[in-house]
Amino acid sequence: DVKVTQSSRYLVKRTGEKVFLECVQDMDHENMFWYRQDPGLGLRLIYFSYDVKMKEKGDIPEGYSVSREKKERFSLILESASTNQTSMYLCASSSDRPGADTQYFGPGTRLTVL
Amino acid sequence: DQQVKQNSPSLSVQEGRISILNCDYTNSMFDYFLWYKKYPAEGPTFLISISSIKDKNEDGRFTVFLNKSAKHLSLHIVPSQPGDSAVYFCAAAFNKFYFGSGTKLNVKP
Repeated sequence: DVKVTQSSRYLVKRTGEKVFLECVQDMDHENMFWYRQDPGLGLRLIYFSYDVKMKEKGDIPEGYSVSREKKERFSLILESASTNQTSMYLCASSSDRPGADTQYFGPGTRLTVL
Repeated sequence: DQQVKQNSPSLSVQEGRISILNCDYTNSMFDYFLWYKKYPAEGPTFLISISSIKDKNEDGRFTVFLNKSAKHLSLHIVPSQPGDSAVYFCAAAFNKFYFGSGTKLNVKP
């Protein structure tokens, strides 16, 4: 069974803080993704990575950065958290590119920025 | 501009009846379509998929239909069970995944 874990289930931060969300997958997947889920908007892609040290912007990368130093770990960084970044953050991984394989999701991190 | 749309935010169905969840897309380049199910406080889990070269795929109680000319995807659940109550996301893939906004299904006992 594929397992995708996220470092925190719930997180509360203050405006301006630097926030790190960690994601680890144990299936040697090449591809990893970060989404945010907001009511009425579904899942929106923030960043993705098809290889170690590689990153690509998704649809809403503003205010975020990512790091992928090891194949199994993909970190999402909020450089200076703002209240509009309060959301559910979901990490996913897949063994092949979209269209050839499904994605496996972690449980999510509910981030609240005060 | 959402390329994948789920126009019904919620659906309520009696146990044992059919649930039909709908999804529309705009990009004819999409070549792979999926449905995910999400319970509260959990990540989405893959349910069923269909390639653009097919028009139907079945897995137990779940059937996905693809109408390419109408750019329309639907998920049928027969018979519906209370445990099916969740949010269902459709997704389409071409280089990356595009998700709909979700439909919350409530199956009443």
